[in-house]
Amino acid sequence: NAGVTQTPKFQVLKTGQSMTLQCAQDMNHEYMSWYRQDPGMGLRLIHYSVGAGITDQGEVPNGYNVSRSTTEDFPLRLLSAAPSQTSVYFCASSRGLGSNQPQHFGDGTRLSIL
Amino acid sequence: GEDVEQSLFLSVREGDSSVINCTYTDSSSTYLYWYKQEPGAGLQLLTYIFSNMDMKQDQRLTVLLNKKDKHLSLRIADTQTGDSAIYFCADSMDSNYQLIWGAGTKLIIKP
Repeated sequence: NAGVTQTPKFQVLKTGQSMTLQCAQDMNHEYMSWYRQDPGMGLRLIHYSVGAGITDQGEVPNGYNVSRSTTEDFPLRLLSAAPSQTSVYFCASSRGLGSNQPQHFGDGTRLSIL
Repeated sequence: GEDVEQSLFLSVREGDSSVINCTYTDSSSTYLYWYKQEPGAGLQLLTYIFSNMDMKQDQRLTVLLNKKDKHLSLRIADTQTGDSAIYFCADSMDSNYQLIWGAGTKLIIKP
């Protein structure tokens, strides 16, 4: 059982480049989300989705786009990379959106913007 | 907005107990979670406690919740080198089911 799979694991970009971080889950979870993790800070929610075709903004959405065309996939797009977007990005999924639905995390994508 | 706070580091000797503390501000918390992150890996759910409970025990892990003081702790008995990780406290906001995360406590094990 793969769980939540993120690709790539590492990426270096130049300022202004665009790229897509991939996230796929095989648990038929409705809820998926993207976080960024920065040193000394908690996880910050970028975007989330409560089901196919439905997405919404989190705490720090600027500079990122998402789409949810299928239940399994939830890609995160950086439109024009900036050094402030250097971070570790985590995708998570859960069965539902209730307080008792723990989230399952991927292993993260470590992104550096030069 | 709501906040969750943790100390950034905790150092303990192998075999001792580790106690990782967390404070939160949300009055409407329903579940509070502890996640573990090992180097280079994602976050793994360790345990969680429902807000109407005071204590939950699971093998070497004991979670204590003081709802009056909004204080949550995770005790790891007989700490082993494999317990070296960053431990995150998270509070679920009942209003929108989003999680509010602490910054994480890095547990350092001394031989």
